[in-house]
Amino acid sequence: GQQVMQIPQYQHVQEGEDFTTYCNSSTTLSNIQWYKQRPGGHPVFLIQLVKSGEVKKQKRLTFQFGEAKKNSSLHITATQTTDVGTYFCALASNTGKLIFGQGTTLQVKP
Amino acid sequence: EAQVTQNPRYLITVTGKKLTVTCSQNMNHEYMSWYRQDPGLGLRQIYYSMNVEVTDKGDVPEGYKVSRKEKRNFPLILESPSPNQTSLYFCASSLRQSRNQPQHFGDGTRLSIL
Repeated sequence: GQQVMQIPQYQHVQEGEDFTTYCNSSTTLSNIQWYKQRPGGHPVFLIQLVKSGEVKKQKRLTFQFGEAKKNSSLHITATQTTDVGTYFCALASNTGKLIFGQGTTLQVKP
Repeated sequence: EAQVTQNPRYLITVTGKKLTVTCSQNMNHEYMSWYRQDPGLGLRQIYYSMNVEVTDKGDVPEGYKVSRKEKRNFPLILESPSPNQTSLYFCASSLRQSRNQPQHFGDGTRLSIL
């Protein structure tokens, strides 16, 4: 079945450094969603990307969808301690399934 | 307040004792689903429901049952729980299962099966 691979699994950064997590698929993706889960919390929807080469920004977060629609990335500029958590990408298939990547857990040292 | 409510939030039980985790949403959403979250494995979909009386298997349905008799409720049933079902469970809903609908998650249920 369709799978989404997410890397890295963990990332420790110093506050102020940048952070990037990547989602990759062997097949073309119709869309990709990104979620954030704070420690002890539940996943919260951040954004959805649909178009080839799409770039969307939310303050210090930049989301990209690859030109071939086989990969996506989330980049955080100048991390803050409030960015701590696990970031998931997810693919919604047309059969109703939602497939999540394994997640990238971000730790930020103040 | 729009929300997805799961109960219980925590449960410790023993192998073989049937249990039900309830999930209710007040947003009139058509699509509901259950996930389990295990370290290193991310979120894996157990079952989903596109609407009332319509349910389908996700990636890890073995050992679980669901029902969707009303639009707002989507209980997860473990008929004979086993220790490998110890996990963090999330219920989620969305307006409908088209590709641009965000999932709204409940607060989670932590199950420990001894």
